[in-house]
Amino acid sequence: GQNIDQPTEMTATEGAIVQINCTYQTSGFNGLFWYQQHAGEAPTFLSYNVLDGLEEKGRFSSFLSRSKGYSYLLLKELQMKDSASYLCAVKDSNYQLIWGAGTKLIIKP
Amino acid sequence: ETGVTQTPRHLVMGMTNKKSLKCEQHLGHNAMYWYKQSAKKPLELMFVYNFKEQTENNSVPSRFSPECPNSSHLFLHLHTLQPEDSALYLCASSQRDRGESGELFFGEGSRLTVL
Repeated sequence: GQNIDQPTEMTATEGAIVQINCTYQTSGFNGLFWYQQHAGEAPTFLSYNVLDGLEEKGRFSSFLSRSKGYSYLLLKELQMKDSASYLCAVKDSNYQLIWGAGTKLIIKP
Repeated sequence: ETGVTQTPRHLVMGMTNKKSLKCEQHLGHNAMYWYKQSAKKPLELMFVYNFKEQTENNSVPSRFSPECPNSSHLFLHLHTLQPEDSALYLCASSQRDRGESGELFFGEGSRLTVL
C-alpha cells in the first residue's frame, strides 16, 4: 500500500529553527508537495520538490531524497504565525496525490 | 483569498435532510476536486472533475452526489448522511495538463456536522 508518515505534533520556540520530516512509500514518484494549513483555513501551497536537493524560499526550505523516500521542511526564524499544520503529499506514478495526516506545529514565545 | 470560494462555511444537518455544498473557482483552472478532511487523518480524495467530466470517484457512498455544471462551479449534494460523515469538506482546483496536475488551490472548506 501507499503511505506517507509525518509526526503528529511538534513544538518549537519563537525565533528558533524546526525541521518537519516526511517519509513516503508510494508506487512511483512524480513530485512532493508541502502545504500549510492554519486552523479553520484553506491549505496553501508552500513548496514542490521533484529532484533531489534543497529548495529555499525565504524562511522556508524543503529537501528531498528520492532514494531514501524522505523529505523535510525546514522553518527558520520561527514566528508565532507559523503555528499551523503542515501537510506532506506525494504525487505517485498515476499523478495521484497521496497525503500524510499532517504535522501540527505549535510555536511558544 | 485563494481564488476558490466555498459556501456554506458551516452546515448542521439531520440524517434525513438534503443539502448541497457549493464551490466556485476564479482561477481559470480545468480541474476541480472534493476532499474530505477528518481530524488527524490524511486528506481523502472523493471526486475529481477534469474539463467538467468526472474522472475519479474514490468509492464514495452514493449519499454523496457531485455535480459540475461548468469548469468554474462544483457542487456536492448530500442526502441521508451519517454522523461519521461529519468533517471538513474541501474543494480545490488545479490546472491539469496531460493527466498531470499542478499545485492545488483550496477553498476554506465547509464544516459539516451531521446530527
